[in-house]
Amino acid sequence: KQEVTQIPAALSVPEGENLVLNCSFTDSAIYNLQWFRQDPGKGLTSLLLIQSSQREQTSGRLNASLDKSSGRSTLYIAASQPGDSATYLCAVIYWSGYALNFGKGTSLLVTP
Amino acid sequence: EAQVTQNPRYLITVTGKKLTVTCSQNMNHEYMSWYRQDPGLGLRQIYYSMNVEVTDKGDVPEGYKVSRKEKRNFPLILESPSPNQTSLYFCASSLSAGSTEAFFGQGTRLTVV
Repeated sequence: KQEVTQIPAALSVPEGENLVLNCSFTDSAIYNLQWFRQDPGKGLTSLLLIQSSQREQTSGRLNASLDKSSGRSTLYIAASQPGDSATYLCAVIYWSGYALNFGKGTSLLVTP
Repeated sequence: EAQVTQNPRYLITVTGKKLTVTCSQNMNHEYMSWYRQDPGLGLRQIYYSMNVEVTDKGDVPEGYKVSRKEKRNFPLILESPSPNQTSLYFCASSLSAGSTEAFFGQGTRLTVV
């Protein structure tokens, strides 16, 4: 089974800190990897999409990297803000299919 | 505004009473899919559609049906809902299967009693 694991499951940091969320996957034959944000009672918001041929993507204070050989992706959030509090989900699409294979997420709390 | 719209947002129903959750996207996307999200299990794909009139099973299709008669709509049908289908459901779409960014609806919280 193609597993996607996110560590840590929960994280609490003070405002202003830089932080890293981790995502690991067991099969290196990935098509792409996408990071999402989920707010309570709301849908998933796409943050960044990294194609298998790319090493990283950046959007504002967010930077996502991809290392297929080690089966890892990281989401770096710079200068965290209370508004960043949410659950962050990593999802992988493998060459074997079209489904997004989700990790269980990291619940982030940024305190003022 | 580009979006995926699901209705209803919340639904409480009784076992065995047929229901439909609608999904519509305004981005002219070819690929659409349904996921369910359960505590401890995460998000799992129910069904997907590569384009009009082409649908296929995902990881957890039992108890569900879908149809794709036009590009923008992809309804999820529960012919005879059971309590184990109590879940949070999401519809998603993307320009093409796999290679492009996926957009999600706001979710439908379904409770079957």
